[in-house]
Amino acid sequence: DSGVTQTPKHLITATGQRVTLRCSPRSGDLSVYWYQQSLDQGLQFLIQYYNGEERAKGNILERFSAQQFPDLHSELNLSSLELGDSALYFCASSVATGTQYFGPGTRLLVL
Amino acid sequence: DAKTTQPPSMDCAEGRAANLPCNHSTISGNEYVYWYRQIHSQGPQYIIHGLKNNETNEMASLIITEDRKSSTLILPHATLRDTAVYYCIVRVNNAGNMLTFGGGTRLMVKP
Repeated sequence: DSGVTQTPKHLITATGQRVTLRCSPRSGDLSVYWYQQSLDQGLQFLIQYYNGEERAKGNILERFSAQQFPDLHSELNLSSLELGDSALYFCASSVATGTQYFGPGTRLLVL
Repeated sequence: DAKTTQPPSMDCAEGRAANLPCNHSTISGNEYVYWYRQIHSQGPQYIIHGLKNNETNEMASLIITEDRKSSTLILPHATLRDTAVYYCIVRVNNAGNMLTFGGGTRLMVKP
């Protein structure tokens, strides 16, 4: 158990819908990272927040957004969902600059 | 971050040592070598990391060559539960640095 929690574990929704994925980092970790893992793309970095502020952006679509709240939990919002958004979404956290620890992931299926 | 090269797959007999190689010939002086593994579709699990010296923890040993252009992850007594995809990643430890995952090595531990 890494200490990073993610909810929900599974999510099934329809195209065009909007969903919110939630991540609680390890106690004391200020950085939260979001990654997407699809069958054809592998694990790809989406976005990072550090103590409430966006710190780095990767291959994140404009339909996707994220935020980190004062209690340091983070939410990833996915809107206008398409079939190709079906993937595993992982959150990771770290103490500022160090080792990232991953949560168990949310499996999203868009039908 | 420097690119890494790993064999796509390896087999290992249960109880024997698994030696997973990684080439990172363009590594910079301030880049660390990190190893993660992913068992089936679970969240990536941190294993070990190092900068120059060899490192050992309860999970594995990391051997980094003197020129730092390659490394080997050693699982001393592989079990069936070590069957996973192992990722070698090089990165600078700063607040904005995400992990860049390649294809990894799929290790199959066989009875």
